[in-house]
Amino acid sequence: KAGVTQTPRYLIKTRGQQVTLSCSPISGHRSVSWYQQTPGQGLQFLFEYFSETQRNKGNFPGRFSGRQFSNSRSEMNVSTLELGDSALYLCASSLVGQATGETQYFGPGTRLLVL
Amino acid sequence: AQSVAQPEDQVNVAEGNPLTVKCTYSVSGNPYLFWYVQYPNRGLQFLLKYITGDNLVKGSYGFEAEFNKSQTSFHLKKPSALVSDSALYFCAVRDRAGNNRKLIWGLGTSLAVNP
Repeated sequence: KAGVTQTPRYLIKTRGQQVTLSCSPISGHRSVSWYQQTPGQGLQFLFEYFSETQRNKGNFPGRFSGRQFSNSRSEMNVSTLELGDSALYLCASSLVGQATGETQYFGPGTRLLVL
Repeated sequence: AQSVAQPEDQVNVAEGNPLTVKCTYSVSGNPYLFWYVQYPNRGLQFLLKYITGDNLVKGSYGFEAEFNKSQTSFHLKKPSALVSDSALYFCAVRDRAGNNRKLIWGLGTSLAVNP
């Protein structure tokens, strides 16, 4: 079974631009979570989608948004990029999400550099 | 507030020696507990988890972890370290109860295994 895939793997943008990242979960997984990873802050939860609905949200500004499609693929968008948005963005999928002790499986991440 | 602590930013061990990466948590009730590993420029890989039952959990690559309820700890261990175990290790916790059951992550511990 194919793992979680994320595209693109690397991105360079300038301040003020916007960016869209894509995540394809493991086949059959309906829950997709997004995380921001930076050296100083560790993994910060952005949001979780399940069946095309945002089910949970972290403490990020409204510039960070996401959506999920009927095939469970998910995108996240960051508008008006700031230097501090430079990070590794990780996507994780699981069967139904947070209601159980199930495992989240991570993609390789998209490394975003904002200049 | 729910939290996870990985008290050591870095752990250094010699190849062939046992290793321990520590994790303590503060969660009301009985948690689900997870360990993940991250190799450079990669996403997180699942190692093991505690759901219920035996307090000693065995996982991938020879790793194991012991759930200690009284000490609210879930330390990761391996009897004999390999150089290839050098990576960043994350502990995560999820509360079983309540409406907001996001994974709570530690900040990670960098393990260096010296030849």
